[in-house]
Order: sequence, then C-alpha cells, then structure tokens
Amino acid sequence: GAVVSQHPSWVICKSGTSVKIECRSLDFQATTMFWYRQFPKQSLMLMATSNEGSKATYEQGVEKDKFLINHASLTLSTLTVTSAHPEDSSFYICSALEGGRDQPQHFGDGTRLSIL
Amino acid sequence: DAKTTQPTSMDCAEGRAANLPCNHSTISGNEYVYWYRQIHSQGPQYIIHGLKNNETNEMASLIITEDRKSSTLILPHATLRDTAVYYCIADNQAGTALIFGKGTTLSVSS
Repeated sequence: GAVVSQHPSWVICKSGTSVKIECRSLDFQATTMFWYRQFPKQSLMLMATSNEGSKATYEQGVEKDKFLINHASLTLSTLTVTSAHPEDSSFYICSALEGGRDQPQHFGDGTRLSIL
Repeated sequence: DAKTTQPTSMDCAEGRAANLPCNHSTISGNEYVYWYRQIHSQGPQYIIHGLKNNETNEMASLIITEDRKSSTLILPHATLRDTAVYYCIADNQAGTALIFGKGTTLSVSS
C-alpha cells in the first residue's frame, strides 16, 4: 500500500532553534499534503494544507511565519518550525493525498518535537 | 464535512468481535465514511471506507445503514494490538484535509 515517510521521528532541541521536518510519499505522487499537530490526550488539529508548487494555506490561528511549509516536489513537503519555544513541543503529523476518486489519505508516523 | 459522533471508550475481550459505532446523521450524499485508527505515538492508520454498500477488507468490515445516518466498524477477532483510538470521519473526497474528532478509545484485554 501507499507509504508516507516522515523524518525525523523524534527531535529534542534548545529553545530558539529552527527545526525542519520532512514528509515524503514513497510510492505515489502527492499534489496535496497536510500538516497536523497533536497535543497529549487530544485529537489531531489541522495546521495547514500544502500544495505542490504553490503557497501553503494555513488554518486560523497558525502563524505562517513560524511554521514554514515548502512543497517543492510531488513527493516531498517540509515543515520548518522557526525559533521554536517550549510551547511548540508537540507531535507533528503529515498526510498525503494520492489523488483520484476513492483514494484514502495516508499518514506519516509523526515527529515528536521537544523544545527545552 | 458532516459531524460524526462516537462513544468515548469501549472495551473488548481478546478474540471477540469489536463493534465500534458511529453516528453521522447529517451526512450528505457525496460523503464517504472513513475509519482510521491511531496507536499510541504513531500516525493514523487507514482502515476502511465506504459510501453506501458494506465493505470488507483484511482488517475490518464496515456496515453502513440504509439511510447512511450511522455505521459500524467491525474487527472480527480483536487482538491486544488493536488497542487504539478509532476515528470515524465523513469526507466528500474533495481533496481537503480530514477533520478528526475525539474518536473512540478501544481497549482490548486478555
């Protein structure tokens, strides 16, 4: 089946550091990818929609200058958390849409980000 | 997308069938019912989806009522590894993101 790879799976860094998370569709082309954030004991919250070759669309309340999204190819989207602070610590998950009718979205295994 | 309602939690004995209900009374004609699950500290895993007809795959069966206002996900022989949060989502496949509710926490015990 379709596989979405997310890297790194776990990162710890100091406050003020910028962190880049990669999301790759391994065996299909994804014109659209989505980024979610999940805090402990809560459900997934959509952060932004990433379309290949165009600017990302951010959900209300998500700072686009803090969470930079790049979708430069049909198989790769990146999320960069700039100048991360402890409140940015969370579980970040991407998903990719395979396209065409009747195709499910596939999710990466998530990146656990801890800011000290 | 239509709102879905699921019980907060359910318990199931290992080896028995787990039947997880979902209410989607405002679902529209072009919305599919999707089921995903999330095992602790992992990304959501696709299970199954359907529009009108009942569906079955190697993981589960999906039973959708004739009026499409509710559905049931059936795990025929639950194992300990099926312990997870199960999400029922109505989506019209318009290329937009899936919106997750709180889901049902299924606990399978021996």
